[in-house]
Parts: sequence; C-alpha cells; structure tokens
Amino acid sequence: GQSLEQPSEVTAVEGAIVQINCTYQTSGFYGLSWYQQHDGGAPTFLSYNALDGLEETGRFSSFLSRSDSYGYLLLQELQMKDSASYFCAVESNYQLIWGAGTKLIIKP
Amino acid sequence: DAGVTQSPTHLIKTRGQQVTLRCSPKSGHDTVSWYQQALGQGPQFIFQYYEEEERQRGNFPDRFSGHQFPNYSSELNVNALLLGDSALYLCASSASITDTQYFGPGTRLTVL
Repeated sequence: GQSLEQPSEVTAVEGAIVQINCTYQTSGFYGLSWYQQHDGGAPTFLSYNALDGLEETGRFSSFLSRSDSYGYLLLQELQMKDSASYFCAVESNYQLIWGAGTKLIIKP
Repeated sequence: DAGVTQSPTHLIKTRGQQVTLRCSPKSGHDTVSWYQQALGQGPQFIFQYYEEEERQRGNFPDRFSGHQFPNYSSELNVNALLLGDSALYLCASSASITDTQYFGPGTRLTVL
C-alpha cells in the first residue's frame, strides 16, 4: 500500500523553530511537496524536493532523504499566522498522495 | 492574474441526488486535478484531466466522473450521492501533469 506518516499535532512558541517530519511508503516517487492549509481554506504550496538535500524559501526550509523515505519541513521565526495544518504529499505516478496533516499550534 | 476558481462555494444535497462542481484553472494551466477532503484528513486524489481526457484516477467509484472542456475548465459530477460524500472538493491546476499544483478555494458539499 501507499502511506505517509506525519505527527497529528505540534505545539511551538512564537519566534521559535519547529520541524515537521514525514515518512512515506509509496510505489513510485518523483518528489515530496509541502502544503499549508488554514482552517476553511485551500492548500497553499510551500515547497518541493525531488532530490536529496535542503531547499530554503524564506522562513521555510524542506529536506528530503530518498534513501530513508523521509523528509521534513522546518519553519523558523514562527509567527501566529503560521498556525495552520501542514501536509506532506508525495508525487507518485502523476498523482499527489497526501499525509493526514500536522496541526501546528503556536503559543505567544 | 486570476487563480483557480471553483463554484459553487457551498452546496447542500440529499442522498441519491446528483451534483456538478465546476473549476476554472489558473491562466496558462492546462491540467486539472480533483481531490476530496474529509474533515480532519488530507485530500484524496479523485482524477486528473489533461487535453480533455482523464489521465489518472484514484480509488473512487464510477459514481464520480468528470469532464474537461477545450478552455481547460473542468467539471466533477457525482451521482447517487451518499452521506459519506460530504466533504470539501478541491480543484487544482498545473502547467503540466508533473508541475506544481495550485488549489482553488474548494466547494463544501453537504449530503443530508
């Protein structure tokens, strides 16, 4: 079967750094994407890794290790507006297969 | 530059009815994918359209069908609605079948 595992909830303090992990098991792998979704809103694309290593986009970074079937999203200098659900999604056979999402709770 | 648009925003139907949801892709995008997102879960891939044909399909029954028009807009049709079809239906467009997907605001379908 195909599955993605990520923590259901993570809590952090404003201004801190938080890492959201994702492990996957899929048949076929082209890349790992990360999306942000606020309550009631649409998923918004954050980052994409096709090759091993770190991709940095402003306060957000994403890492991929294909040999370990593992990736993570790193959020720095957390702001209250970063409170949302974060999804990892594997691009496999022209489909996006999604994890169940990680709810990020930020405390002042 | 308009992003992905979907209509209607909300919809309430009863069991057994049929529904049609609509999606207009982002300008310059020719590929449309549809997803179902139940409350508290990640989106589930329904199918993808490219060049007016269904290219990929997820694990959804034949009650779910779609169409893509020459202007790249798309429809999702669901027949014989079940209570379990209540969800947020998301449309995503991309510049190709392998490019980054951009999502519309979704249609919230409630089946009573």
